[in-house]
Amino acid sequence: KNQVEQSPQSLIILEGKNCTLQCNYTVSPFSNLRWYKQDTGRGPVSLTIMTFSENTKSNGRYTATLDADTKQSSLHITASQLSDSASYICVVSALQYGNKLVFGAGTILRVKS
Amino acid sequence: DSGVTQTPKHLITATGQRVTLRCSPRSGDLSVYWYQQSLDQGLQFLIQYYNGEERAKGNILERFSAQQFPDLHSELNLSSLELGDSALYFCASSVAGRQDLTGTQYFGPGTRLTVL
Repeated sequence: KNQVEQSPQSLIILEGKNCTLQCNYTVSPFSNLRWYKQDTGRGPVSLTIMTFSENTKSNGRYTATLDADTKQSSLHITASQLSDSASYICVVSALQYGNKLVFGAGTILRVKS
Repeated sequence: DSGVTQTPKHLITATGQRVTLRCSPRSGDLSVYWYQQSLDQGLQFLIQYYNGEERAKGNILERFSAQQFPDLHSELNLSSLELGDSALYFCASSVAGRQDLTGTQYFGPGTRLTVL
């Protein structure tokens, strides 16, 4: 079983709409949780980094939330744009594995006009 | 542009061969990380070097090895290549030596390796 699971696997939304991507993790304890955006064929770009004590963090139209009790995080995208089409990857820093980063499989988002 | 450079961009080779991928970190970053991303899999952490020394090891095969040189650039060597090694290989760099710290990892554009 993956230690970091993301849902949905893929998502199609209309330009201008909002959407929320989910990340559930079993890694415990952990020190931080990150969301990355990866355009097709390119390297991931960091969107947000949250420590276990933070509940929310924003980066422009991207807002990440974290519930360490339920081990869930979400990434909310507001007023989507065509350029938001990408894979969004949830990453947890796993103290139990020597602080290595454990990556989710990602959610593929397609924004259409 | 993340400031991390990787060469070559594309590499096509045959099974059984050996290749070397190169990464130059951002100026001032001491850590270099290598990742593999196959078509049907997410990013897999391979190995991390910090200031010339191996710091952490992930799912790196024995056929693969890496090193970081005094000028902080890093090379990933892949030998006895198999079809399943075809993937995107990313290098990332950060200032921090530990992955659990909240410093950002900056990813390079990747090297696409195709093994025929």
